[in-house]
Amino acid sequence: GQQLNQSPQSMFIQEGEDVSMNCTSSSIFNTWLWYKQDPGEGPVLLIALYKAGELTSNGRLTAQFGITRKDSFLNISASIPSDVGIYFCAGQGAQKLVFGQGTRLTINP
Amino acid sequence: GAVVSQHPSWVICKSGTSVKIECRSLDFQATTMFWYRQFPKQSLMLMATSNEGSKATYEQGVEKDKFLINHASLTLSTLTVTSAHPEDSSFYICSARIGARNTEAFFGQGTRLTVV
Repeated sequence: GQQLNQSPQSMFIQEGEDVSMNCTSSSIFNTWLWYKQDPGEGPVLLIALYKAGELTSNGRLTAQFGITRKDSFLNISASIPSDVGIYFCAGQGAQKLVFGQGTRLTINP
Repeated sequence: GAVVSQHPSWVICKSGTSVKIECRSLDFQATTMFWYRQFPKQSLMLMATSNEGSKATYEQGVEKDKFLINHASLTLSTLTVTSAHPEDSSFYICSARIGARNTEAFFGQGTRLTVV
C-alpha cells in the first residue's frame, strides 16, 4: 500500500533555531498537506500543496511540493515555544489521506 | 479554515458497554467524513470512510460490527464502539472534507476513550 516516510522522527532544538523536516513516498500524490498536532488534540492544517514544485509560505512556515510529486519538505524559521508538537505530512490519494509517521518537535528555551 | 467539532472530548466507560462519538461539520456540508484511531506516539490510522446516505467503507482489519458508523446528514457522522473492551482504549479522531474536489481535510479535536 501507499506509505509516506517522514524524517526525522524527533528533533530537539533551541528556541530561535530553524527546523526542517521532509517526507518521501513511493507513490505520486496530487495534493500534499502538512498538519500539526498538539497533545490531546486533533491535527490542524498548516499548509496545503497542490502543484508540483509549488513553494508555499504561512508565516514562519514554508513548504514545497517536489517536482516528482513524491516528496515534500516543511521548514520552520526562528522557532518559538508554541511550535512544540508533532508534525505530520499527508498525501491525498484517490479517496484517503495517507499520513507520515510524524516528527516530534521539542524546543529548549 | 472549516470547523469540525467532535464530542465528547473524553469518555470513560465500563467494559461491555457501548460508546457513541459524534463528529459535526459546523460551517460546511461534508459528504465524506473519515474516522481515525491513534495510539500513543503513533500516526493516525484510518478506520473507515463515512459517506452520507450510504454504508461506510471500512479499512482492512477493522470490524464493522464493532465500530458502527452512521452518516445520516451532511453535517453529522457518528462512531459507536460496541461492547467496548480495554484494548479499544485509544484516541479517536474524525475529519471531514469540503465537497468532492477540495481535498483539504479538517479534523475534529479528538475523543480520548478509556475502557475500564
